[in-house]
Amino acid sequence: DSGVTQTPKHLITATGQRVTLRCSPRSGDLSVYWYQQSLDQGLQFLIQYYNGEERAKGNILERFSAQQFPDLHSELNLSSLELGDSALYFCASSGSFSVGTDTQYFGPGTRLTVL
Amino acid sequence: SQELEQSPQSLIVQEGKNLTINCTSSKTLYGLYWYKQKYGEGLIFLMMLQKGGEEKSHEKITAKLDEKKQQSSLHITASQPSHAGIYLCGARISSGSARQLTFGSGTQLTVLP
Repeated sequence: DSGVTQTPKHLITATGQRVTLRCSPRSGDLSVYWYQQSLDQGLQFLIQYYNGEERAKGNILERFSAQQFPDLHSELNLSSLELGDSALYFCASSGSFSVGTDTQYFGPGTRLTVL
Repeated sequence: SQELEQSPQSLIVQEGKNLTINCTSSKTLYGLYWYKQKYGEGLIFLMMLQKGGEEKSHEKITAKLDEKKQQSSLHITASQPSHAGIYLCGARISSGSARQLTFGSGTQLTVLP
């Protein structure tokens, strides 16, 4: 158990809908990362938050947004869903920006299926 | 990701055999991480390598970093069925404050009893 929790574990929805994925980082970790894993694209970085502020953006679609709250949990919002958004979404957390202490620990993931 | 190439894509070995997985970056490495994933599950952190020539071991798994070649290898000695899974290398290829990882496509390891 990495200490990172994600809910829900599975999500099935229809095209055009909006969903929210939730992540609670390990106790004390300030950074939260979101990744998307699909068969054709592999594991891709979406976005990073550090202590409530956006720190880096990757291949995140405009239909997707995220935020990190004062209690450090994070939510990833996916809207106007398309079939191609079906994937495993992972949250990871790390404790520090110091080199050598920024190992990312991954949650169990949320499997999103868009029908 | 073409920035990080893993080989082989899949590997089937007999229990007790040794094996090696390679990860090569086309960009400068600022940290190299190895993870293991069971299909459809989360990534389990194995080891992190930072400096050229660095070598780390945990139980029967050893990882090395060749800074000159921008390459890392993961070696499993006397493989067991419990070693089966997908091995992913992830790397920081940016020297900036962002810490996101770029991942290889993974190596699917099957260990036959």
